[in-house]
Amino acid sequence: NAGVTQTPKFQVLKTGQSMTLQCAQDMNHNSMYWYRQDPGMGLRLIYYSASEGTTDKGEVPNGYNVSRLNKREFSLRLESAAPSQTSVYFCASSEDEVRDEQYFGPGTRLTVT
Amino acid sequence: AQKVTQAQTEISVVEKEDVTLDCVYETRDTTYYLFWYKQPPSGELVFLIRRNSFDEQNEISGRYSWNFQKSTSSFNFTITASQVVDSAVYFCALSDYMTTDSWGKLQFGAGTQVVVTP
Repeated sequence: NAGVTQTPKFQVLKTGQSMTLQCAQDMNHNSMYWYRQDPGMGLRLIYYSASEGTTDKGEVPNGYNVSRLNKREFSLRLESAAPSQTSVYFCASSEDEVRDEQYFGPGTRLTVT
Repeated sequence: AQKVTQAQTEISVVEKEDVTLDCVYETRDTTYYLFWYKQPPSGELVFLIRRNSFDEQNEISGRYSWNFQKSTSSFNFTITASQVVDSAVYFCALSDYMTTDSWGKLQFGAGTQVVVTP
């Protein structure tokens, strides 16, 4: 089992460019999440999907969109990247959004210049 | 709203010393779950343990042990005989069924940096 995979691992964008971060899990989990982690800020939830076919905003959704493509895949799109979106992005999944632990991908380090 | 407080920002120890990380939580729910995660310098987040609110039995797993006390709303984590490989940021987290705001169901603490020197 690969667990949670994310692509790419590193990305540099210019302000205004767009990109999609891909995430896939092979654990048949119902819930999936996107977080960003900034120095001194801990983990902040961007969007989550409690189950296939649903998505909800988290704490910091502005500037992002998500797609739950199927049960395995949950993508995060930056439509017009800004320097404030420079961060490390983590995808995670869990069987249940309350009861169960989340398993995290390796992260994507994004720099917007 | 739920809340998780990790008051210790950083703890530095010499190898073989014990390290205890404090976690205090707040929730109005009677059914909730507590977690500890580890984030080593390589950056990945690793799940360590889960406890539900009905199970106050403390656990020992190798050099790790956890002390869950509902009376003080604490879920502390101890590393016995620390090693350099234990150097990491440790996050405590809480989830419950009553939270309906935009934080989602899982609330992380700010994390405690553990530095173990030889």
